[in-house]
Amino acid sequence: AQSVAQPEDQVNVAEGNPLTVKCTYSVSGNPYLFWYVQYPNRGLQFLLKYITGDNLVKGSYGFEAEFNKSQTSFHLKKPSALVSDSALYFCAVRDGYQKVTFGTGTKLQVIP
Amino acid sequence: ETGVTQTPRHLVMGMTNKKSLKCEQHLGHNAMYWYKQSAKKPLELMFVYSLEERVENNSVPSRFSPECPNSSHLFLHLHTLQPEDSALYLCASSHQTSGENIQYFGAGTRLSVL
Repeated sequence: AQSVAQPEDQVNVAEGNPLTVKCTYSVSGNPYLFWYVQYPNRGLQFLLKYITGDNLVKGSYGFEAEFNKSQTSFHLKKPSALVSDSALYFCAVRDGYQKVTFGTGTKLQVIP
Repeated sequence: ETGVTQTPRHLVMGMTNKKSLKCEQHLGHNAMYWYKQSAKKPLELMFVYSLEERVENNSVPSRFSPECPNSSHLFLHLHTLQPEDSALYLCASSHQTSGENIQYFGAGTRLSVL
């Protein structure tokens, strides 16, 4: 069975500093990987995806993610954090049968 | 907005009530989903309607009953709920045959069971 692990419940970073939100996955076959963001009182919003190709994927709002096959990781990154980036971030993996599994989420707090 | 609308946004109900949650998508998608979001737990997939077939999570209690009258509308009928059913219920839709299956979410219904 496929799974996603987000090892940190919360990540704190100062505004202007680079941020990383970690994700590791387990899936049979080639992974389809996603990051979603959830702002307060909202549903999840798609940020970016990895299907094939370049290991560094760029997405919305200046976010990017690095796919590492040997470490089965798909960490979310941003070079310079904004206070408005504070939200809940979910990593997800899709298997060959279209089933999507989400992680438990990581709360990102950007401190002014 | 995301193109997925959920009503109501907030719902308070007693354990003996019957209520329904509604979801509507305007994206031309062919799959719709109900998720339960509880604090510090993984997002729980409850039901999927894909190409008019229902796929369900066998751990979902029978007090939750989905209905999908067409590809744009999805309901979740609730009856005799328990306090532990209090959570944020999210609806999503996607185009499953596109290969990527990116899901678009509504804002959710915050349910409180007293």
